[in-house]
Amino acid sequence: DGGITQSPKYLFRKEGQNVTLSCEQNLNHDAMYWYRQDPGQGLRLIYYSQIVNDFQKGDIAEGYSVSREKKESFPLTVTSAQKNPTAFYLCASSTRASLDTQYFGPGTRLTVL
Amino acid sequence: AQSVAQPEDQVNVAEGNPLTVKCTYSVSGNPYLFWYVQYPNRGLQFLLKYITGDNLVKGSYGFEAEFNKSQTSFHLKKPSALVSDSALYFCAQAMDSNYQLIWGAGTKLIIKP
Repeated sequence: DGGITQSPKYLFRKEGQNVTLSCEQNLNHDAMYWYRQDPGQGLRLIYYSQIVNDFQKGDIAEGYSVSREKKESFPLTVTSAQKNPTAFYLCASSTRASLDTQYFGPGTRLTVL
Repeated sequence: AQSVAQPEDQVNVAEGNPLTVKCTYSVSGNPYLFWYVQYPNRGLQFLLKYITGDNLVKGSYGFEAEFNKSQTSFHLKKPSALVSDSALYFCAQAMDSNYQLIWGAGTKLIIKP
């Protein structure tokens, strides 16, 4: 899992709550990513950030928000607008080079109660 | 649109036998290709990548992959499977214009003793 940490490992959310997933990296990478993983599906990109104070929507950004105030941190908020948030969430980082390897954190499993 | 196909949901191999996990990539995109492995409830681990050069790429844990331009394939291989190779394997292709990866749906590899 390299130098990327995600917390918590497991998270439970009640209906209507916002929750924030933490992602921190000490690899000095400029780019960071959030993916959602559902059973039987590949990874789907939620948001990505190429540099501090900048981020772009991925394929499934609705109901999610992010911030990138520091190079090493890229927290993801799952808002109450996300109707089906139960999933495994993965954070990754890479250098700015477009062909560079992405390195992944251990993931957070979010369950809606 | 770019897409990555992993035609097999599951591959079963006896321990000690050679294994192949198939991947075909989109001809409209760059043939910059990656293989990752995921163990249960863990993040993804990078195995290998093809950018340019030799068509046979060697990676971690004894895995290798063969790039075949005429068949638009990038199959993952290992000469002798181990039970510990049992995991979920993802193929991915880099997009042309940004840092995003297009992911296959994943193939579950089961190695039986």
